[in-house]
Amino acid sequence: GAVVSQHPSRVICKSGTSVKIECRSLDFQATTMFWYRQFPKQSLMLMATSNEGSKATYEQGVEKDKFLINHASLTLSTLTVTSAHPEDSSFYICSAESGTSGGTDTQYFGPGTRLTVL
Amino acid sequence: GQQLNQSPQSMFIQEGEDVSMNCTSSSIFNTWLWYKQDPGEGPVLLIALYKAGELTSNGRLTAQFGITRKDSFLNISASIPSDVGIYFCAGHSNFGNEKLTFGTGTRLTIIP
Repeated sequence: GAVVSQHPSRVICKSGTSVKIECRSLDFQATTMFWYRQFPKQSLMLMATSNEGSKATYEQGVEKDKFLINHASLTLSTLTVTSAHPEDSSFYICSAESGTSGGTDTQYFGPGTRLTVL
Repeated sequence: GQQLNQSPQSMFIQEGEDVSMNCTSSSIFNTWLWYKQDPGEGPVLLIALYKAGELTSNGRLTAQFGITRKDSFLNISASIPSDVGIYFCAGHSNFGNEKLTFGTGTRLTIIP
């Protein structure tokens, strides 16, 4: 149980284009999903917390207009990188948490999406 | 912001050796989690700790939640080639706070 998928697994795009990444919880409902970014040889850095049916909460320094998050259902959250630039190239990882919002349930991670912006 | 420091940063060991790594924080954490990440993959949960002093095992892995709630360690006994990867500690700093803070990671390499 507790499987989280991401699509696509890797994407290469031209500078200025927008890229959408999907995160799905396959066998449980996730009221809360999280989006992380990981640069090479570094740890995971939280970008935003996404709650189903409400606006995402962004971490300090993360531009909400650039990284659009939609959590339209209990099993799907999407991250759209708008007008991507080479510095946005990174490994984007989502996680999903089961249970009620506000708890400290375990986060299960997706396999990640490698974004390369040319 | 809060930070979790892991040590060592990297380890080079021979197959069969035991491994020990730890994670420390300047502030109290209410849960400690240990994840393993393989190259190009997302982190996979190894062990979750919820109470100070708790000692939990998962096969060859053993982890403990420090009494002060500011540290945790992970031991791997009799290492095998598939143990290679990056190990991250992570924790929740406040009860009810969903956000996880990740450690800096320990890269484990097994020398043939």
